Amino acid sequence: QVQLQESGPGLVKPSQTLSLICSVSGASISSDGYYWGWLRQHPGKGLEWIGYKYYIGSAYYTPSLKSRLSMSVDTSKNQFSLRLNSVTAADSAVYYCARAGQKELSFDLWGQGTLVTVSS
Amino acid sequence: DIQMTQSPSSLSASVGDRVTITCRASQSINTFLNWYQQQPQKAPRLLIYAASTLQSGVPTRFSGSGSGAEYTLTISGLQPEDFATYYCQQGYRTPLTFGQGTKVEIK
Repeated sequence: QVQLQESGPGLVKPSQTLSLICSVSGASISSDGYYWGWLRQHPGKGLEWIGYKYYIGSAYYTPSLKSRLSMSVDTSKNQFSLRLNSVTAADSAVYYCARAGQKELSFDLWGQGTLVTVSS
Repeated sequence: DIQMTQSPSSLSASVGDRVTITCRASQSINTFLNWYQQQPQKAPRLLIYAASTLQSGVPTRFSGSGSGAEYTLTISGLQPEDFATYYCQQGYRTPLTFGQGTKVEIK
């Protein structure tokens, strides 16, 4: 059974960097056919795609966050990560990691989500 | 960006009802349309991908249809566990975008 689990600080100070890791169990992150991605949901709001990355090659980011965003995949640890620089209160949200099929770009597996609050 | 608009934003229904949710894209998305269910305080769950393909393990009372820019999710025979918020998402072009959600509430 494939599972994803987010980890990282729940509180980040304004202007600092938000860093999250998603640990994958039950499957290899190097599997063909899948992107590994991040999404977020502001309190009481809808879903927002942040970006995704194949285990090799370039990442794809949403334009509104691209200048502050970095994603990477660590195949040795079977993990992938998100870094968002220069955060503000507007980046406070529940962050989800998820797996997307390369063909349909549907997210078939999700982590449970982690709440990140940006506050001093 | 491709804009996704769901209607209605919310609806009230009874157990056993047939419910239909519509999702319209701002351009044709060639059936690259996925549907999710989200229970409160839970991660979304994929229900249907490629407009009409049921994800493994999802009850057959859920179905999807559509083409071009207009798609529907139908729940035939609403069950208590179906009261949730439903989102559509286009996978045609990045940035991937979601509808604003449709909350299905108990009448």
